Amino acid sequence: AQSVAQPEDQVNVAEGNPLTVKCTYSVSGNPYLFWYVQYPNRGLQFLLKYITGDNLVKGSYGFEAEFNKSQTSFHLKKPSALVSDSALYFCAVRDLETGTASKLTFGTGTRLQVTL
Amino acid sequence: DTAVSQTPKYLVTQMGNDKSIKCEQNLGHDTMYWYKQDSKKFLKIMFSYNNKELIINETVPNRFSPKSPDKAHLNLHINSLELGDSAVYFCASSKGLATDTQYFGPGTRLTVL
Repeated sequence: AQSVAQPEDQVNVAEGNPLTVKCTYSVSGNPYLFWYVQYPNRGLQFLLKYITGDNLVKGSYGFEAEFNKSQTSFHLKKPSALVSDSALYFCAVRDLETGTASKLTFGTGTRLQVTL
Repeated sequence: DTAVSQTPKYLVTQMGNDKSIKCEQNLGHDTMYWYKQDSKKFLKIMFSYNNKELIINETVPNRFSPKSPDKAHLNLHINSLELGDSAVYFCASSKGLATDTQYFGPGTRLTVL
């Protein structure tokens, strides 16, 4: 069975500093990995995804994530945080091996708080 | 030009009632989903339809019944509502399956009293 772990409930960072939101995954085959962001009282917005190819994936709003197969991780990063980045971030994984019925499994979410 | 829309945005009802949530996407996608987000923000898939065919049906009480009249619509009907059904329900859609990005609606906050 596939699973995703986001070990931090909350990450606090000062504006202008780099940020990292951690994600590790477990699948039986090759993973498809996604990051979504949820602002208060809003739906989830897609940030970026890893399917294949370059391990460093660039996404919306200056975010990027690095796929590390040996560590089964897909951490979300941004070089310089903004107060407006404060939101709830979800990592998600889909197992290619389970075929058309494969589902997207979400982590428990990490709340990012960026302060001035 | 909303991509994935849901109605209503808020739904407050009494235990035992039957209610429906509607979802529409104008992205031309073939696959649609229903997710439930509980009070701890945990997000879990409930159903998925591909070309109007049910392909994912998680362990959901049979009081929940999805209906897809066409590829652009996926409605969720809930019978005999219970307190534990209170949550935010999100509809999503994607062009295909495995690698395709899912696009989410704004959510419907259901409160059962």
